[in-house]
Amino acid sequence: GAVVSQHPSRVICKSGTSVKIECRSLDFQATTMFWYRQFPKQSLMLMATSNEGSKATYEQGVEKDKFLINHASLTLSTLTVTSAHPEDSSFYICSARAHPGALGSPLHFGNGTRLTVT
Amino acid sequence: AQSVTQLGSHVSVSEGALVLLRCNYSSSVPPYLFWYVQYPNQGLQLLLKYTTGATLVKGINGFEAEFKKSETSFHLTKPSAHMSDAAEYFCAVSKPLEYGNKLVFGAGTILRVKS
Repeated sequence: GAVVSQHPSRVICKSGTSVKIECRSLDFQATTMFWYRQFPKQSLMLMATSNEGSKATYEQGVEKDKFLINHASLTLSTLTVTSAHPEDSSFYICSARAHPGALGSPLHFGNGTRLTVT
Repeated sequence: AQSVTQLGSHVSVSEGALVLLRCNYSSSVPPYLFWYVQYPNQGLQLLLKYTTGATLVKGINGFEAEFKKSETSFHLTKPSAHMSDAAEYFCAVSKPLEYGNKLVFGAGTILRVKS
């Protein structure tokens, strides 16, 4: 089945530094990938839609300069949390669809990245 | 706007007992409906989905869910709970025209299975 690989699984960084999270589709091409964020004891919230070869589409309230998304190839999207602060500590999950446009085609999710900013 | 309500942030059942996780949605159009499971420190895994056709859908690990339009519900059930079912479960909806792209998730229900 379709697999989405996310790296790293855990990262601890100091306040003010930047962190890059990679999301790869291993056995399919993904023109679109999605980045979600999960706050403790809360549900996942869509942050942005990553489009291969073009700018990402951010959801309302998400700072595009804070959360830089690059989708340089059909199998790789990256999320960079710039100048991280403790409030950015969260669980970030990427996802992609193996069959764009297919009826009800579900998303395949990466295993997530636990970011802790100290 | 779409929204999803999962009744009960925590559900506890005994091993072998019926599992019932509730999900109600609101949507201006009939949505696509999904149940995902999240094991500790892992990403989401699709359990089952409803798009069109038969309203009772079967998923992996013995789970099933029934779409009831009149009740705007999509409750998840499993006849007999297993210890390995302990996880967090998310109900989600999307607009059909978005082909499941932008999922709106419920707040999640943590299932605990007692031995």
